[in-house]
Amino acid sequence: GAVVSQHPSWVICKSGTSVKIECRSLDFQATTMFWYRQFPKQSLMLMATSNEGSKATYEQGVEKDKFLINHASLTLSTLTVTSAHPEDSSFYICSASSGDEQFFGPGTRLTVL
Amino acid sequence: TQLLEQSPQFLSIQEGENLTVYCNSSSVFSSLQWYRQEPGEGPVLLVTVVTGGEVKKLKRLTFQFGDARKDSSLHITAAQPGDTGLYLCAAKTSYDKVIFGPGTSLSVIP
Repeated sequence: GAVVSQHPSWVICKSGTSVKIECRSLDFQATTMFWYRQFPKQSLMLMATSNEGSKATYEQGVEKDKFLINHASLTLSTLTVTSAHPEDSSFYICSASSGDEQFFGPGTRLTVL
Repeated sequence: TQLLEQSPQFLSIQEGENLTVYCNSSSVFSSLQWYRQEPGEGPVLLVTVVTGGEVKKLKRLTFQFGDARKDSSLHITAAQPGDTGLYLCAAKTSYDKVIFGPGTSLSVIP
């Protein structure tokens, strides 16, 4: 199957700093990518839909000014957590669509101190 | 309100036992998917069921899609410690968004 990578796989940052997470589709082009957040012992919650060349669509309750999404090319979407706080500590997972199937990245563990 | 419900939420069984996990919704879906996720990793697709009443088998795993396409079940025969993980059902909504159920955390004890 198609491969989706994320970078970094884990990051620790201080409160108030910004963190950028990259999501890449390695062997296919993805016009649409999705960002999820997963807290411990919980399921994946969709945060936003990232469309190449246009603004992201955010789910209800997700602050678009805090979670900046850029989908500059057909193989790369980035999620920037701005002014991170401890409550933003979570597992962030992206996915990319290829036809009818979605492929998930390995996730990025963010810890905000 | 969860679009997809799963039960049980947690399950701890001995190696060799059988188990069934359920995924239910009040909505009708064109397809349902089952994923397995291990700690610190992304979810991995196990199967997609499309036709009402469909049964798919993947080694010791049997997946069924309800006739009305509102529910699905996952049955594992002779569970092994390697089956331990979080089992998630998922469905596509509008704009190809995939939304997940709350998950069933399975622990198989050797």
